[in-house]
Amino acid sequence: EVQLVESGGGLVQPGGSLKLSCAASGFTFSGSAMHWVRQASGKGLEWVGRIRSKANSYATAYAASVKGRFTISRDDSKNTAYLQMNSLKTEDTAVYYCTRQRRGELWPPDFDYWGQGTLVTVSS
Amino acid sequence: EIVMTQSPATLSVSPGERATLSCRASQSVSSNLAWYQQKPGQAPRLLIYGASTRATGIPARFSGSGSGTEFTLTISSLQSEDFAVYYCQSAWTFGQGTKVEIK
Repeated sequence: EVQLVESGGGLVQPGGSLKLSCAASGFTFSGSAMHWVRQASGKGLEWVGRIRSKANSYATAYAASVKGRFTISRDDSKNTAYLQMNSLKTEDTAVYYCTRQRRGELWPPDFDYWGQGTLVTVSS
Repeated sequence: EIVMTQSPATLSVSPGERATLSCRASQSVSSNLAWYQQKPGQAPRLLIYGASTRATGIPARFSGSGSGTEFTLTISSLQSEDFAVYYCQSAWTFGQGTKVEIK
């Protein structure tokens, strides 16, 4: 059974940092591109960024709204993806989901498995 | 950047009726279009990918069609568990969602 479990959310002050984790099981994590998607309360889904596999040089890409502040990484030995969030703003408050790209990494993505999400609140 | 526009924002439907949701892309996305269902407090669930292929375990009452810039999700006979918010997605962009509510 495929599982994605996010952790690391919480309350942080504006300008602060937080690192989210996504622990994966039930599939070949090392061969999968992993993405982060967020959702502010009562709002829609917003793609945050992705990381490809080692075979594709761990290439990353980010939404314009987070580029330069957020960094995605992975540890294939631990089957875990990470989202490092720096210089946090109040508008980054959201539930953050990790999700797996369904098909080959070089194809346009869609997402077949999702974690339950972890809430990040940026507030003073 | 591709913009995905869904309509209507809210759809009121009686159980057993058909629901038709629309999604328009600002430029052609070929058949690279997915639909997701999200219920309150839950993560999104993949329903349709490749514009028309049902994901594993998705009931046959869900169907997708379209290509290029115009896409449709049809729920042939709404069940109580289908009342939710539906999102379309292509590449890195999601639509704003359509809420299907009980009439």
